[in-house]
Amino acid sequence: KQEVTQIPAALSVPEGENLVLNCSFTDSAIYNLQWFRQDPGKGLTSLLLIQSSQREQTSGRLNASLDKSSGRSTLYIAASQPGDSATYLCAGDQGGKLIFGQGTELSVKP
Amino acid sequence: DTAVSQTPKYLVTQMGNDKSIKCEQNLGHDTMYWYKQDSKKFLKIMFSYNNKELIINETVPNRFSPKSPDKAHLNLHINSLELGDSAVYFCASSQASRANYGYTFGSGTRLTVV
Repeated sequence: KQEVTQIPAALSVPEGENLVLNCSFTDSAIYNLQWFRQDPGKGLTSLLLIQSSQREQTSGRLNASLDKSSGRSTLYIAASQPGDSATYLCAGDQGGKLIFGQGTELSVKP
Repeated sequence: DTAVSQTPKYLVTQMGNDKSIKCEQNLGHDTMYWYKQDSKKFLKIMFSYNNKELIINETVPNRFSPKSPDKAHLNLHINSLELGDSAVYFCASSQASRANYGYTFGSGTRLTVV
């Protein structure tokens, strides 16, 4: 049974710091890995999708990597800003459904 | 705007009532989903439909009945609501033949059972 774990559960950093959010999964038989952002009381916004044949994706200050063999994905946020404060969710696509981690709640202090 | 849209955004109802949540997507996707986010913010799949056909049913109580009149719509009807049904319900869609394009989520329906 696929389990997705995100570490840390919560993170508070000063503005401008570079940071890494970690995601690990128990079954390497995932198809894609997708990172989402969820603001309080809001829906999920897709940030990055790493396709099965890829190892990383970049969008602006965000970079996500995927290593299926070790069962890990990381989301790197460069030069963090207060507007980055949100919960970040990773999800593995397996068998036509997304298996979610429990999220990392990020707070970036001005 | 191309999107996944759900209504209502908020739903407050009493125990024992029956309620429905509607979802529509105009992305041309052929697969739609319902996910439930519990009080601990954990998201878990409930159902998926591909071209109006039920594909995934993740051991959800029979009180929950999804209905897909066409591939652009997936509604969720809940009978005899219980306190434990209080959660945020998200609709999502994807294109099965283009799984590499990922999933798109709606903004959620916050259901509160009192």
